[in-house]
Amino acid sequence: EVQLVESGGGLVQPGGSLRLSCAASGFDFDKYWMSWVRQAPGKGLEWVANIKQDASEKYSVDSVRGRFTISRDNAKKLLFLQMNRLRVGDTAVYYCVRDNGGSSNYFDSWGLGTVVTVSS
Amino acid sequence: QSALTQPRSVSGSPGQSVTISCTGTSSDVGGHNDVSWYQQYPGKAPKLIIYDVTKRPSGVPDRFSGSKSGDAASLTISGLQADDEADYFCCSYAGTYSSLYVFGTGTTVTVL
Repeated sequence: EVQLVESGGGLVQPGGSLRLSCAASGFDFDKYWMSWVRQAPGKGLEWVANIKQDASEKYSVDSVRGRFTISRDNAKKLLFLQMNRLRVGDTAVYYCVRDNGGSSNYFDSWGLGTVVTVSS
Repeated sequence: QSALTQPRSVSGSPGQSVTISCTGTSSDVGGHNDVSWYQQYPGKAPKLIIYDVTKRPSGVPDRFSGSKSGDAASLTISGLQADDEADYFCCSYAGTYSSLYVFGTGTTVTVL
């Protein structure tokens, strides 16, 4: 069974940093693209960033580029999101998602999410 | 990259069919056959119910079906059941520098 478990969320002041982690199990982690998707309170979903199997390609949405960095450790089956210069608008539930990127693009497994609150 | 447009809410009685539209542009929905749909219950994580416009993952009832025409995609729920009451989001691969993926605004389905 595919399992994705996020951690690292919390309350941080504007301008601060957080590092999210996602522990993957139940599948060959190093064979999949992985993404982070977020959902602000009461709002819709927003794709944040993704990373190729060997980390040779990384992409992110305009609003976080230059502030957020996605990375992975295939040996430990971990996905990370380093978030710097956080803004109030980054407040959201952050989901770790298995990304079926390649010839066919969709998100087939989701973690339960970790809450990030940016507030003074 | 703007969010795909979905109706805020749709409703139907048990046994009826409802259809949710998802309107984008030629850069996203119209330009790729990578449209997917997700079901989300309050306080829960989204779940994939349709991918590649029309395909259903294992375990998803065939009451859920997807289609696409031009820049718009649709999700139809046939034989509406009480546990279909949830939020539904479409998503399309866009492949642009601004954002690789774009999600819809979301639709709340209410079973009357």
